[in-house]
Amino acid sequence: KAGVTQTPRYLIKTRGQQVTLSCSPISGHRSVSWYQQTPGQGLQFLFEYFSETQRNKGNFPGRFSGRQFSNSRSEMNVSTLELGDSALYLCASSWDRGFEETQYFGPGTRLLVL
Amino acid sequence: QKEVEQNSGPLSVPEGAIASLNCTYSDRGSQSFFWYRQYSGKSPELIMFIYSNGDKEDGRFTAQLNKASQYVSLLIRDSQPSDSATYLCAVMRDTNAGKSTFGDGTTLTVKP
Repeated sequence: KAGVTQTPRYLIKTRGQQVTLSCSPISGHRSVSWYQQTPGQGLQFLFEYFSETQRNKGNFPGRFSGRQFSNSRSEMNVSTLELGDSALYLCASSWDRGFEETQYFGPGTRLLVL
Repeated sequence: QKEVEQNSGPLSVPEGAIASLNCTYSDRGSQSFFWYRQYSGKSPELIMFIYSNGDKEDGRFTAQLNKASQYVSLLIRDSQPSDSATYLCAVMRDTNAGKSTFGDGTTLTVKP
C-alpha cells in the first residue's frame, strides 16, 4: 500500500508570494493533518481535515489555510509569505476509527522563503 | 511548562547497549502516545504506539506508559548505529481531532 505522498518536495519562494502544498493520504485514511517543523519551534500542529471539514486548528495566523477534497486529498495554502515561514511542512494521515488512532507522515515539503 | 517534554540530549550509547528515552506530558486527558524516529532531513517514522499503562514490546523496542505519573518511555535494546536519529515523543488527547503534540526530540547517537 502506498504511503502518504506530498508535492512538491522542495520549493523556493520570495516574501509576499503565496504557495500551495498538496498531500495525498494513505488509501482509506480519512483524516489529514498538517504540521510545520522548524529548528526553533519543533513540530507544530497547523490543522486537521476530515470529510472535507476542518475539525481542529492550531495557533497559526489566518495566512495559513487548507482544504480537503472528497477523495481525502488535502492542500494547504500560505499567503503573503514571510521569511519565518521557511520550514518543513509535513502532512500526516490516519484512519480516524476513534480509539487507537495513529498518524503516518509523508516525506514533507521543504519551503524556503527568500 | 511545555506540554510534552523529553529528556535533553544528545544521548550517546555504545553499540549493543540499551538506550533509554524519556518523555513526560502535562495533559492528564491524553489518550494515545507515540514514538517517532526522524533521521536528519527526513520525515518522522512511527516506531511504537501505546494506549494502556504498562509495557509494549516490538522487537528491540519497548514502550512503557505510566498515566498516573504522566510518563512514557522508549527503550532500545542492542542499539545499532542505524538507530542514530532524533526520537520524537507525541501525545494525542482526542483521537478524533487529528492533533498530536510533540516534544522537541532527543538525539541519539550509537557509537560503533
